[in-house]
Amino acid sequence: DSGVTQTPKHLITATGQRVTLRCSPRSGDLSVYWYQQSLDQGLQFLIQYYNGEERAKGNILERFSAQQFPDLHSELNLSSLELGDSALYFCASSVGINGGGETQYFGPGTRLLVL
Amino acid sequence: ELKVEQNPLFLSMQEGKNYTIYCNYSTTSDRLYWYRQDPGKSLESLFVLLSNGAVKQEGRLMASLDTKARLSTLHITAAVHDLSATYFCAVGAQKLVFGQGTRLTINP
Repeated sequence: DSGVTQTPKHLITATGQRVTLRCSPRSGDLSVYWYQQSLDQGLQFLIQYYNGEERAKGNILERFSAQQFPDLHSELNLSSLELGDSALYFCASSVGINGGGETQYFGPGTRLLVL
Repeated sequence: ELKVEQNPLFLSMQEGKNYTIYCNYSTTSDRLYWYRQDPGKSLESLFVLLSNGAVKQEGRLMASLDTKARLSTLHITAAVHDLSATYFCAVGAQKLVFGQGTRLTINP
């Protein structure tokens, strides 16, 4: 158990809908990262927040957005869902901003199925 | 654009044998990570390699980094069934770029 929690574990929804994934980092960690894992794209970095501010952005679609709240939990919002958005979404956390090679600890993931 | 490639992508081996997984990356980096993922599970951090020539060992796994060759290796010694999993290398700082993963199956 990494100490990173994610809810829900599973999510089934329909195309065109909007969902919110939630992540709580390890105690003391200020950075939260979001990744998407799919069979065709592999593991892809989406976005990083550090202490409430966006710090790095990857190949995140415009239909997706994220934020980190004052209590450091983060939410990933996925809207206008398409079949291709079906994937495993991981949250990870680290102590700092990760300029020094810190380990990113991964949560259990949310499995999203869009029908 | 940073690219990370692992080989082999699939590896089936017998218990007791040794083998190596290779991770090549396309641009200069002195930070490389190895993760393990069991089916349907999360990623577990194995090693963080932060400098040229870094070598780390944990049990039957040993990882090394050659930044000049842009190559990291994960060596498995005397494999046991419990090491069956998918192994990923990743390069970067905030934005980790992952390899495709190596699915390792160890047969009794």
